[in-house]
Amino acid sequence: GAVVSQHPSWVICKSGTSVKIECRSLDFQATTMFWYRQFPKQSLMLMATSNEGSKATYEQGVEKDKFLINHASLTLSTLTVTSAHPEDSSFYICSARFRGNQPQHFGDGTRLSIL
Amino acid sequence: ELKVEQNPLFLSMQEGKNYTIYCNYSTTSDRLYWYRQDPGKSLESLFVLLSNGAVKQEGRLMASLDTKARLSTLHITAAVHDLSATYFCAVDMIGRFPGGRYNFNKFYFGSGTKLNVKP
Repeated sequence: GAVVSQHPSWVICKSGTSVKIECRSLDFQATTMFWYRQFPKQSLMLMATSNEGSKATYEQGVEKDKFLINHASLTLSTLTVTSAHPEDSSFYICSARFRGNQPQHFGDGTRLSIL
Repeated sequence: ELKVEQNPLFLSMQEGKNYTIYCNYSTTSDRLYWYRQDPGKSLESLFVLLSNGAVKQEGRLMASLDTKARLSTLHITAAVHDLSATYFCAVDMIGRFPGGRYNFNKFYFGSGTKLNVKP
């Protein structure tokens, strides 16, 4: 069964709305969680890495004020797309890792469509 | 920054044929992963290759890793339609949070290979 749960799986909203996506590790405590973005027919692009209780580390070119990441506990990380616009429409995927030498477990992804 | 190049980008082949997908990366790394992605879905883990010379096989897929050449291959044997999907390789690199308190592994993904197996 799934070890990482991502919610919601699909969301459509109007421009200007803020959208929160949740990522939960179900069977383990995740020391590190990752957020990716994937445009159609493209690869996954790492947006940010977060460790429980610490501020997220963002990749170059990713606006931290636009994509707010909160890793409040060892089992939950959230990504909030603030004041979303159509160009933010994408497939967002989270992953979680128990320890540094363990594989990442991926969530099912969230399809975000901004009208 | 680590670069991961995957070839080919698109592959259409007949059932029953063999083919190899290549994954080259630019910096030393001892761990390489292969994933499968179906349309509209997230990633499904296929293989984790942890050392030089590692070879793993699952069904019609076999993956290998040559860390000296910085090359991994995913070989498809006697392809079937059900293998149609996009395949990604990913290489990880050690990163460090600001202040150096924690290490973490960042994944760098290849561009993906879209495989279409025609019945």
